[in-house]
Amino acid sequence: ETAVFQTPNYHVTQVGNEVSFNCKQTLGHDTMYWYKQDSKKLLKIMFSYNNKQLIVNETVPRRFSPQSSDKAHLNLRIKSVEPEDSAVYLCASSQQGTEVFFGKGTRLTVV
Amino acid sequence: AQSVDQPDAHVTLYEGASLELRCSYSYSAAPYLFWYVQYPGQSLQFLLKYITGDAVVKGTKGFEAEFRKSNSSFNLKKSPAHWSDSAKYFCALEEAGGNNKLTFGQGTVLSVIP
Repeated sequence: ETAVFQTPNYHVTQVGNEVSFNCKQTLGHDTMYWYKQDSKKLLKIMFSYNNKQLIVNETVPRRFSPQSSDKAHLNLRIKSVEPEDSAVYLCASSQQGTEVFFGKGTRLTVV
Repeated sequence: AQSVDQPDAHVTLYEGASLELRCSYSYSAAPYLFWYVQYPGQSLQFLLKYITGDAVVKGTKGFEAEFRKSNSSFNLKKSPAHWSDSAKYFCALEEAGGNNKLTFGQGTVLSVIP
């Protein structure tokens, strides 16, 4: 049963455009994450965020930014997408002591 | 920095056989270790975790994993395998202290032939 919801499922856009992906969790968790899964299915964490602290993976380009309205939502904005941004973006959430729960992902294709 | 290695990109076996997916890790302290499974078109699903204590931990779907500190491994096992186990499996490490940030291995695609 999915409890981390991501929209859209797919998005195709052109180089240079801005995109935004939405994520909502209904588990009452206090921490949310964004992971990137590339074409080789390698998973790398991009951000972790709770209402106290944003931690950014130092390898994430500045054009990526997380946006949160409350602890149940963590959106991902990409300013001026580039071809290497094509990937599946996975949103996740957790609470201290629990495992991490993942959404189904948003597949971004940059043409 | 920590790392996780899954040396087998693909594993293929017949239904009814025993499966073992390999995972090794590098971390200076005692890690928390996890296995997740990803079925085609679906999200990652938690299978099991090792925090401390017994070397063998049992998870969902009949899977278990054995933690071996001596060779820094955390192999996933199941017997017998079923065709529905075909999926991609990820081993992951979380730094001690439970900050919930996971470092994943490359994943292993398991194909179980009926």
